[in-house]
Amino acid sequence: DAGITQSPRHKVTETGTPVTLRCHQTENHRYMYWYRQDPGHGLRLIHYSYGVKDTDKGEVSDGYSVSRSKTEDFLLTLESATSSQTSVYFCAITRDPGRGYYGYTFGSGTRLTVV
Amino acid sequence: AQSVSQHNHHVILSEAASLELGCNYSYGGTVNLFWYVQYPGQHLQLLLKYFSGDPLVKGIKGFEAEFIKSKFSFNLRKPSVHWSDAAEYFCAVAAGSSNTGKLIFGQGTTLQVKP
Repeated sequence: DAGITQSPRHKVTETGTPVTLRCHQTENHRYMYWYRQDPGHGLRLIHYSYGVKDTDKGEVSDGYSVSRSKTEDFLLTLESATSSQTSVYFCAITRDPGRGYYGYTFGSGTRLTVV
Repeated sequence: AQSVSQHNHHVILSEAASLELGCNYSYGGTVNLFWYVQYPGQHLQLLLKYFSGDPLVKGIKGFEAEFIKSKFSFNLRKPSVHWSDAAEYFCAVAAGSSNTGKLIFGQGTTLQVKP
C-alpha cells in the first residue's frame, strides 16, 4: 500500500545467521507493528512500537528484537534465525489506535525462508 | 486474554451463492472489529470495520458484516459471490479503549469459488 514498504520482499537465509527486516512508512504514524503469518494461525503479533524508541512485546516475541530510531523505520531482527521462523512477515501502521476508525494499513510482506 | 475464532477454515461455494463467514471474539469491553481479505500472494486489505454506531457495516465489493454484541460475533456476508472473491479472509479485533492498538486475528478462512 502507498505509504508503507517492506524490504526485502523475499529472503533465504541459513540457520544461525542474523536477519533484519525493514518496515518504512511515509505517513508519520506513531504506531507500527510486526506480525508473522503462518497457515492455521492467522497473523500473530511479534512486537509493536508506539513511538521512537518505544517498543513492546507481542504474543510471539521470543527470538526477535526490534528497534525504532526514527518515526519512519521499524526494524525487526532475528538474532539467530531458526527454521521455525520461516514465515511471511507483515508490517502494519495506524494513526491512533484509540480511535479505531482510522484502521490499519499493511505492507506487502517479507517472505523469509530459513534453511 | 482476547481471542478470535473463525468457525470455518475452508469454505467452497459455487459462483452466485451467498456467503457467510463466522467470527466470534472473547473480550468483555468495547471493541473495534475488522475484516481483512488477502488475495493470493498479496498483503491484507481492509474489507470493512466497525468502531461504533450502526451494527450493520457495509464494506467494499458488496461485503457487509453485522456486529451482535450479545453474541460476541461479527459475521461477514455477501449475497452473491464472484470467482474474484476467492481469497483468505481474516477477522480481527482490537480493544476499543486500547492505547496500543494491538490487533488479534482469527485463524483465517480460505474461500474457494467454483465456476
